[in-house]
Formats: sequence, C-alpha cells, structure tokens
Amino acid sequence: IVMTQSPATLSVSPGGRATLSCRASQSVSSNLAWYQQKPGQPPRLLIYAASIRATGIPARFSGSGSGTEFTLTISSLQSEDFAVYYCQQYNNWPPITFGGGTKVEIK
Amino acid sequence: EVQLVESGGGVVRPGGSLRLSCAASGFPFRAYGMSWVRQAPGKGLEWVSSISWNGGDTGYADSVEGRFTVSRDNAQNSLYLQMNNLRAEDTAFYHCARRTLGSEGWDFDYWGQGTLVTVSS
Repeated sequence: IVMTQSPATLSVSPGGRATLSCRASQSVSSNLAWYQQKPGQPPRLLIYAASIRATGIPARFSGSGSGTEFTLTISSLQSEDFAVYYCQQYNNWPPITFGGGTKVEIK
Repeated sequence: EVQLVESGGGVVRPGGSLRLSCAASGFPFRAYGMSWVRQAPGKGLEWVSSISWNGGDTGYADSVEGRFTVSRDNAQNSLYLQMNNLRAEDTAFYHCARRTLGSEGWDFDYWGQGTLVTVSS
C-alpha cells in the first residue's frame, strides 16, 4: 500500500489553520496514524485509529477520514508545531508503510 | 518513565553484518509488540520489522526480508535486529518503537533516539 501525502510543504502563519492530506492506494479502513517529527528527534505519535488523539496531545490536533482519504488538521498553529508530519498505515500488516511527509513551515 | 535505548550501530562494509539492540525500561516489556523503523539521513520514515509480544508473529519490509531477523528476550527486556548482507541503501538511523498502549493496530507511542548504521566501503 502506497501512502501519498500532500502538499510536500505547507506554509502557514502562526495562529493559522493547517490541513494535511494523506491518501492510500487502497483502503486501510481506519488503521492510520499521524506523527510529528522535529529535527534531531524521533517521531511523536499524534493520532491513531485515524481520529484518536494520543496521550498528552493538545486538542488543536485532529484527525479524520477512513478508507483511502485522511486529514490531519491543526486548528491554531503554535510555534512548536512547525515540523514534519508523517502518516502511517498498518492495515493487515505486514507491511506497514509511511507517507513521504509534509513539512509545515512558518509563512 | 518509558525508555527505549538502541545500541549496536556503526560502520560496516557492504555484505557485512551487525546486530542492533534496544533496551527497554519503565513498562512491562513482555506485554508489548515492538518494531524497528529506520530513517536515512534527511529522508522519510521506513518500517523495517515488527514482532508480537511473545515473538510468535513477525513481519518484515520487502527490502530486508531474508536478510534481517527480529527477535526479543522478554527476560532481558530487550529487542534485537540481526542484519546480514548489508547494502549501502541500509544506511540509516534505526529506531525501536513500542506498539501503542490501548491500540489494536501497529502504531507506535514511544520511540528510541536511534542508532546510526552506515554501510560503506
């Protein structure tokens, strides 16, 4: 299963709204997670099962979708949210696959 | 506090072997599925392998199938990745990751900082 993320880079002003997309080449049901990664750090789980926020994740992060189309929304970008975001499918593993990432940068 | 600490990385020639280790602490290791995920410098994430809580189920990416072997020692709270016949394209940071508490799927709530494997002649 190929995971395609868009856009590759998203420029957003602090306080703005970011909408990241992830498309699967075939249905993955709701078996999808989102991660945030900052330079020099391992990924941080944000969302699993397409829409469940992981422990300690602020409410400004939300996930939606099922099947082949998924969205991560960051409602009001804070300075610490500028990072690279990856989606990951785990439907009927193996394999498990990641998208290529979306970089959210300051506009 | 959950901690995952990888070790065993280094520089190896093409065709060589390495064994990575991941020392787990701060949680009941024997109750969790575990995985290896790699990231080439400046590139994206690539899943490598996963192993169920008791080692009964394992899975591998096509790119490493037949060359890498995942294993675990629940008595030692340790995860391993034996890597044979290494290729230049295996060069990456290798992270161990824990399957998310409460999730029915293979998402990962804790990650180690990674150990760097460099395959070069």
